[in-house]
Amino acid sequence: GNSVTQMEGPVTLSEEAFLTINCTYTATGYPSLFWYVQYPGEGLQLLLKATKADDKGSNKGFEATYRKETTSFHLEKGSVQVSDSAVYFCATFSSGAGSYQLTFGKGTKLSVIP
Amino acid sequence: NAGVTQTPKFQVLKTGQSMTLQCAQDMNHNSMYWYRQDPGMGLRLIYYSASEGTTDKGEVPNGYNVSRLNKREFSLRLESAAPSQTSVYFCASSEVSGSTDTQYFGPGTRLTVL
Repeated sequence: GNSVTQMEGPVTLSEEAFLTINCTYTATGYPSLFWYVQYPGEGLQLLLKATKADDKGSNKGFEATYRKETTSFHLEKGSVQVSDSAVYFCATFSSGAGSYQLTFGKGTKLSVIP
Repeated sequence: NAGVTQTPKFQVLKTGQSMTLQCAQDMNHNSMYWYRQDPGMGLRLIYYSASEGTTDKGEVPNGYNVSRLNKREFSLRLESAAPSQTSVYFCASSEVSGSTDTQYFGPGTRLTVL
């Protein structure tokens, strides 16, 4: 099945710093790619997604581009805020033999300090 | 519109006890999922239900059973709890189980098995 590797955290940044969280995947075919975010004490929520090569997903100032040649989907934000402190999960969709599921990376905890 | 709700929020069990985690969604979604989240492991799929009346195993189904009671509700049962089942459990739903569909997550149930 598919797998996702994302950079280990925790990541600590000062407010207004540039953020990159690396994510690479292994998959057969061209799966959809997702970034989910989990704020403290809450469930996950979709941050952005891309469904085909070269697509760019964007939301709340975050961006990620589906790079087929490097099998990557790195998350970036130009200027982070304290409110961006959360755990970020990269995920890919897997399907086959009647099975459908999201495969998640292990998560990267981001802390933004004023 | 409450989205995905889960009960209870917290639960402590003794080894060998049984319990059922409840999940309901009010978005008229066809597909529902149960995940567990463990430190450093990301989320792993336990069971899913692509549509009302169907259930399928995910990555880590051993020790669990599920019931898709109706379109809205999807429960997870632990028949004989073990300490290895200490985890945070998330229910999710999506319109269909397609490759581009966003999954919407509940707030989670934190389960401790002593």
